[in-house]
Amino acid sequence: GAGVSQSPSNKVTEKGKDVELRCDPISGHTALYWYRQSLGQGLEFLIYFQGNSAPDKSGLPSDRFSAERTGGSVSTLTIQRTQQEDSAVYLCASSLAGGTGGDTQYFGPGTRLTVL
Amino acid sequence: GESVGLHLPTLSVQEGDNSIINCAYSNSASDYFIWYKQESGKGPQFIIDIRSNMDKRQGQRVTVLLNKTVKHLSLQIAATQPGDSAVYFCAASSGFQKLVFGTGTRLLVSP
Repeated sequence: GAGVSQSPSNKVTEKGKDVELRCDPISGHTALYWYRQSLGQGLEFLIYFQGNSAPDKSGLPSDRFSAERTGGSVSTLTIQRTQQEDSAVYLCASSLAGGTGGDTQYFGPGTRLTVL
Repeated sequence: GESVGLHLPTLSVQEGDNSIINCAYSNSASDYFIWYKQESGKGPQFIIDIRSNMDKRQGQRVTVLLNKTVKHLSLQIAATQPGDSAVYFCAASSGFQKLVFGTGTRLLVSP
């Protein structure tokens, strides 16, 4: 079956503009995660959705970042008033159950965001 | 909270050699561990995982070893190939907590 997909694959924007990044998880996966990966760095957790529960937003770096997950499937990560330090690859992952411990996350290809 | 670190940022090996990538974790309550491979321009790809009730698990050309006493995890790749060149991440979680990722080790395989 299809894996996790993300769009766009690349996004170039000007400082101060808003951007929306999209993630389509694997069908049937109830958990969805967003991470940020700066050049040559590890994965920085941003936000986690599990079913109908309130999302875990503990990793969002500022109130300019927000995310939604509609109908328990597609998710959109929105960055308002983008700054140059927001430039990174934004990765989405999904897992079958989430929050149950030991649940394998499957990653999408990422969206590379460049803020000029 | 949990922190996960890899011992070396870069590991260079010759094609055909065995590679060993090491990882240390801080939380003795961690009970699930996973290795990912990330090639340039792609998202991390699942390689192998292990739970704390095991100390060794084997896959195709890969073996993960877990030493809970010293909180150490390793990934062994047998007969390393140029296609194995990538960044390798370990991650750990405990109970219902989310995975915490290490910073990654870049594996360079020379022909």
